[in-house]
Amino acid sequence: GQQLNQSPQSMFIQEGEDVSMNCTSSSIFNTWLWYKQDPGEGPVLLIALYKAGELTSNGRLTAQFGITRKDSFLNISASIPSDVGIYFCAGQLGSGGSNYKLTFGKGTLLTMNP
Amino acid sequence: ETGVTQTPRHLVMGMTNKKSLKCEQHLGHNAMYWYKQSAKKPLELMFVYNFKEQTENNSVPSRFSPECPNSSHLFLHLHTLQPEDSALYLCASSQVGPGNQPQHFGDGTRLSIL
Repeated sequence: GQQLNQSPQSMFIQEGEDVSMNCTSSSIFNTWLWYKQDPGEGPVLLIALYKAGELTSNGRLTAQFGITRKDSFLNISASIPSDVGIYFCAGQLGSGGSNYKLTFGKGTLLTMNP
Repeated sequence: ETGVTQTPRHLVMGMTNKKSLKCEQHLGHNAMYWYKQSAKKPLELMFVYNFKEQTENNSVPSRFSPECPNSSHLFLHLHTLQPEDSALYLCASSQVGPGNQPQHFGDGTRLSIL
């Protein structure tokens, strides 16, 4: 089956730093999604990307859908303490048949030095 | 986010007990999902219901039995579980088909098997 490699697995950052993480796949996706999960809660959708090459922002978050459709990047600018959590990428082939199923990465754990 | 509500939030049960997890979505979506989230693993899709019909069963043991009485409610009936079934069980919903929308998650049920 399809697999997503998400990196880095974890990051320690200082407040105010910019953060980058990415996901790569062995096969193409037509939709890339980025979620964030806080302790004791479910994943919350941050950004959805639907076109190869698309660059989308949500506040201090910016995500890109790779041209090859096999990768995606998430950047966080000027990080703040509430950015701490686990970030997941997910790929989706499309909407027909079983293509609406998501394939998830293992997550990037973001922690902040006090 | 209150779009997808899961109860109970925590459940401790013995291996011989029978219990049920409940999920309700208020987003008007036509598909609902059960996922298992274990430490250091990607989210594992268990079951998918599309228009109340089960369209996916990812080789889940029969001790997990899903039920979808309507497009807004989803249950996961549990019986004779094993210690390795301890995990966070997440419910999600989405709109499948024209106007495909990303999956939205509940906050999960933390299940512990004694």
